[in-house]
Formats: sequence, C-alpha cells, structure tokens
Amino acid sequence: NAGVTQTPKFRILKIGQSMTLQCTQDMNHNYMYWYRQDPGMGLKLIYYSVGAGITDKGEVPNGYNVSRSTTEDFPLRLELAAPSQTSVYFCASSSEGNEQFFGPGTRLTVL
Amino acid sequence: GENVEQHPSTLSVQEGDSAVIKCTYSDSASNYFPWYKQELGKGPQLIIDIRSNVGEKKDQRIAVTLNKTAKHFSLHITETQPEDSAVYFCAASKGGGSYIPTFGRGTSLIVHP
Repeated sequence: NAGVTQTPKFRILKIGQSMTLQCTQDMNHNYMYWYRQDPGMGLKLIYYSVGAGITDKGEVPNGYNVSRSTTEDFPLRLELAAPSQTSVYFCASSSEGNEQFFGPGTRLTVL
Repeated sequence: GENVEQHPSTLSVQEGDSAVIKCTYSDSASNYFPWYKQELGKGPQLIIDIRSNVGEKKDQRIAVTLNKTAKHFSLHITETQPEDSAVYFCAASKGGGSYIPTFGRGTSLIVHP
C-alpha cells in the first residue's frame, strides 16, 4: 500500500492564481481530511469528508473548496490565492474511530 | 464542541531522562485518544493510542494513561533518545459517525545528547 499520497510536494503561486492540491489514499478509508499547518503551529482542519459525495467545513474553510467523487481522491482547490494561504497542507485518511494516516504534505508559498 | 488543551508547548530534557506531555479534553463522550509524532518536514504519524475502556497502555518506552473522571490523558516517554526529538500532538474524538478528531496545539520535545 502506498498509503496517502499528495502532489505536488512544493508550489509557489502568485497572488490571485488558483491551484488544486491532489490527495489519494489506497486504504479504502471512508474519512478524509485536509489540514493546514503554519510554522510552529498546530493542525487546523480545513475540510473533511465522511464518504464519497459528502463533504463538510472544518475550522478554516474560507478560500478553499473540496470535492469527493470517489473513495480514493479528495482534492483541495484554492481559488484566488492570497499570502495568508502560505502554509503546509496535509491530507489524511482514516476508517471510523481509528488512527489517521497523513500524507507527506504540500508546502505552498503565495507571493 | 470538543476542546483539547496540551501542555507544555516546549519540553527540553537530557538524553536518558523521562518526558511527560499532558492533555485535557472537554467532551465526556470522547472515547478515542491518539498521540502523533511529527518529525521535521514530515506528516504526523501515530505512535500510540488509547480507548476509553482502558486506563493505561504501553509500547516499549512509550506509555499513555487516561483518567476519564478528570478528563485528561498523558504521554510518557522513558529513557529518551535524541531521535525522540519531534513535535507531539494529542487528539480526542468520539465514534458514532462523529469521528472528527480535535487536536492539541502540540509539544516540541527536544532531547539533548
């Protein structure tokens, strides 16, 4: 199993550009999550999904969108990138009531 | 909603000493308490977890204790080694279709050789 994979690993965006962060898991997990982690800070939940076709907002959803058309994929879309979205983004997956498996992260800089 | 407090935010120890990180939670319905270790430049990874029907769990040098009455749980690392240096996160969640964990703010553990 590859676990949770994220692409790209690094990205630099200009203000106002848009991009999609990709996340795929091969563990057949129902739950998937997107977090952002600012330097020296904890994990903030952006969006989550409890199954294909179902998504919900987390703590900091503004400026982001997600979709969950399949069990495996949970892409995160940034529209009109802003410097405040400079962060490291982690995708995670889990089965209900069990540990989360995290991807390696995407380091995003918005200039 | 659930609120998880984690202390200390930074912990510095000498190699071979023990380290203890403490978390408190607010929702008495929470029943799953994982601990994650995040090494520099990587995603968090589970190191140990405990469920509400158990008071203590050990895995080699790592142990977790849970006090449901007081709503707190702790991570204990004995005989610390430099490779234990990392950020540690606690979390709390409940089942029944509401499994969205709430994380503590993290503890940066530094083990000096």
